[in-house]
Amino acid sequence: SSELTQEPAVSVALGQTVRITCQGDSLRSYYASWYQRKPGQAPVLVMYDKNTRPSGIPDRFSGSSSRDTASLTITGAQAEDEADYYCSSRDSSGDRVLFGGGTKLTVL
Amino acid sequence: QVQLQQWGAGLLKPSETLSLTCGVYGGSFSDYYWNWIRQPPGKGLEWIGEINHSGSTKYNPSLKSRVTISVDTSKIQFSLKLRSVTATDTAVYYCARARRGYCSGGFCYSDAFAIWGQGTMVAVSS
Repeated sequence: SSELTQEPAVSVALGQTVRITCQGDSLRSYYASWYQRKPGQAPVLVMYDKNTRPSGIPDRFSGSSSRDTASLTITGAQAEDEADYYCSSRDSSGDRVLFGGGTKLTVL
Repeated sequence: QVQLQQWGAGLLKPSETLSLTCGVYGGSFSDYYWNWIRQPPGKGLEWIGEINHSGSTKYNPSLKSRVTISVDTSKIQFSLKLRSVTATDTAVYYCARARRGYCSGGFCYSDAFAIWGQGTMVAVSS
């Protein structure tokens, strides 16, 4: 399969924990990367190599992976975390990059 | 601090060729892969293709017949051409630097697009 599936929308109360998931056959082989995109801004890498945060990304962001599903967890969500989140992976052949359809996170 | 600055025409007519260029300012040019990614209005991200400093490319199969990505190492920049555009090519186009995905020790690691250009809105309309 050459698709990554994400839930279209997720909401979380301020300060609570939320998990965003990404499912696809390629994730049996590849650790996903995760991107945060806010309106009018370029995407920002927030997680890669299963659970590595780029410099400047708060440690409330964490990543995990199990079988064909990758997850991005925000522990203690803040208002500034409200954004669209996209997962990404190489396809199983390694020849191209896939993106999930995106999850719109609302912080209540 | 590494920066990507992109430029190109923002309004095209159907059947024309989209042409964008991305300049790389700072950092290594040879240690990374250089990508184009787009996002149509209201839709998700779509990978267009990649190139390295040697000119080796890979393209999204859905666009491969119309896309050319090239590199100019003397100017430290890379370019995208998309031929025969239609309204469905209307999107924000981004250039991005990636640590390319690889496999090692039984695990595979996806591309990490850590640096992005500012984005260029390209509209195709008659």
